[in-house]
Amino acid sequence: AQSVTQLGSHVSVSEGALVLLRCNYSSSVPPYLFWYVQYPNQGLQLLLKYTSAATLVKGINGFEAEFKKSETSFHLTKPSAHMSDAAEYFCAALTMDSSYKLIFGSGTRLLVRP
Amino acid sequence: DTEVTQTPKHLVMGMTNKKSLKCEQHMGHRAMYWYKQKAKKPPELMFVYSYEKLSINESVPSRFSPECPNSSLLNLHLHALQPEDSALYLCASVSTGGFGRNGNTGELFFGEGSRLTVL
Repeated sequence: AQSVTQLGSHVSVSEGALVLLRCNYSSSVPPYLFWYVQYPNQGLQLLLKYTSAATLVKGINGFEAEFKKSETSFHLTKPSAHMSDAAEYFCAALTMDSSYKLIFGSGTRLLVRP
Repeated sequence: DTEVTQTPKHLVMGMTNKKSLKCEQHMGHRAMYWYKQKAKKPPELMFVYSYEKLSINESVPSRFSPECPNSSLLNLHLHALQPEDSALYLCASVSTGGFGRNGNTGELFFGEGSRLTVL
């Protein structure tokens, strides 16, 4: 069964520092991969998606992610953290079979220190 | 129109009540989902409908009853819920037309959710 692993339930960075949130997937066939962000008391917002067109994917709010098949990873980065980036981040994978099942990682809460 | 609309946004119900959550999309998506999200946890898949037929039921208790009356609507009927069922319920939809073709990247579109409190 496919699974998504996010290392680190909490990540704390200083404002202006590099943000790195880790995501690994387990699948013999690379699934479609996504990063979602959730602000307090809100729904899910898509940050970016991997579609196999390019391994480096740029998303909204200055975030990007790199797909590495050899490492089965899809880590999320942002060069310079902003206070408004504080939120919960979920990595997710969509199975490519007919079940259309989207599986979420456990989430990483990003804290940004002034 | 790229929206998934969920109503109501907030619902408070007693354990003996019967209520329903509604979800609507007009993007022509033929797969629709219900997810349950508890505080500080990832969304948990409950049900998937594909072409208006239930394709996945993740062992959800029978007090939750999904219904897909047509390709645009998805309901979740609630009856005899427990306080631990209090959560954010998210609806989502995805295009099923040929992943990887015609710009279909398998992106799920989520509604804002219905926040349910069971007293």
